[in-house]
Amino acid sequence: DAMVIQNPRYQVTQFGKPVTLSCSQTLNHNVMYWYQQKSSQAPKLLFHYYDKDFNNEADTPDNFQSRRPNTSFCFLDIRSPGLGDAAMYLCATSTGGVVETQYFGPGTRLLVL
Amino acid sequence: TQLLEQSPQFLSIQEGENLTVYCNSSSVFSSLQWYRQEPGEGPVLLVTVVTGGEVKKLKRLTFQFGDARKDSSLHITAAQPGDTGLYLCAGVGIAGYSTLTFGKGTMLLVSP
Repeated sequence: DAMVIQNPRYQVTQFGKPVTLSCSQTLNHNVMYWYQQKSSQAPKLLFHYYDKDFNNEADTPDNFQSRRPNTSFCFLDIRSPGLGDAAMYLCATSTGGVVETQYFGPGTRLLVL
Repeated sequence: TQLLEQSPQFLSIQEGENLTVYCNSSSVFSSLQWYRQEPGEGPVLLVTVVTGGEVKKLKRLTFQFGDARKDSSLHITAAQPGDTGLYLCAGVGIAGYSTLTFGKGTMLLVSP
């Protein structure tokens, strides 16, 4: 089935140790998003790619970077994770049309020790 | 900045009860979506409403989009424990392609 896949599902890292989360999609969608979600809160958009066009939210910390080497893959790099970065990270995709249905992956839960 | 106010933030009910979740904004949206998220999983789309006044039903769930396309409601009839989860409304702006604006979510707990 076409889907959004995130790896790993759980990631443990140490304070300050760089970590990369990955997302892949078989939907061939133009847009890929990264969200941060803390416990029982709404997802907070970090950035998104429309094709290769990168769009950063104004309040996304510089500590967070992203790469999209091709249509199918998108990576979230956290350069120096802090304790406050522990959260669920969700990847989503959409076609980029006017009725913007987003399809979410299962998420990666990040724990920072 | 478009904001969506979602209420209540938390709801704990018994199996068989009815409930309504509200999503309100001062902004107009081209469409509004409802997602349900279970613990440890990503949000799953339940419905998209596009037309002002539109009502959509999904089994025991009824979704309504306000006439002015600024608000929406989700009504669940005879809630079941399987309905437990975080319900999120999300709006699409009217300026063509745009990102979603999420409400803060309603955490629903249905006890047997």
